[in-house]
Amino acid sequence: SQQGEEDPQALSIQEGENATMNCSYKTSINNLQWYRQNSGRGLVHLILIRSNEREKHSGRLRVTLDTSKKSSSLLITASRAADTASYFCATDSIRGYGNKLVFGAGTILRVKS
Amino acid sequence: DGGITQSPKYLFRKEGQNVTLSCEQNLNHDAMYWYRQDPGQGLRLIYYSQIVNDFQKGDIAEGYSVSREKKESFPLTVTSAQKNPTAFYLCASGPPRRLGELFFGEGSRLTVL
Repeated sequence: SQQGEEDPQALSIQEGENATMNCSYKTSINNLQWYRQNSGRGLVHLILIRSNEREKHSGRLRVTLDTSKKSSSLLITASRAADTASYFCATDSIRGYGNKLVFGAGTILRVKS
Repeated sequence: DGGITQSPKYLFRKEGQNVTLSCEQNLNHDAMYWYRQDPGQGLRLIYYSQIVNDFQKGDIAEGYSVSREKKESFPLTVTSAQKNPTAFYLCASGPPRRLGELFFGEGSRLTVL
């Protein structure tokens, strides 16, 4: 069962532009995380935002969380060619046997130089 | 250096054969996870373990088996009962109880000939 769904599925921008990716989920969560995956590699954790937080920053990354709409967004500012990757949101549900993350299908970001 | 090591990176299997994917971590994490990733899709949870000698089925456990005899190791066996085993397999580990950041290995790509 997939909890998070990213939008758009793919995004192509020029270097220096900002990239925004969205994630929607279905059930109440404890926290939401964003991960990055370079082609053929493992996932790397980017940022975690808790259900009682609304916004979080890390370098060029800005994440927002709207629990009333069950949605989150990831903004990458001043994008670079090296940001080209797939980006996934992941949530842990309050219900059920805990300690597992459910991932969305991801957004493929291509930054053209 | 601390991290998660998956092996082999590439594996070819004939139909009807069982294969075992290795996952070792030296991060002293209690929880370990196996995910499957298919092209254009997100990660789907196969099995997870929160402590030695205990593991739970994820969303797509059929045709797979695991063991957790040591804290550092969580091997995954893809059995001949798995109907469509060709995929990218990712192992991850994380802290117990309070779910936070997961650390991923570099993945194992299994191809059934």
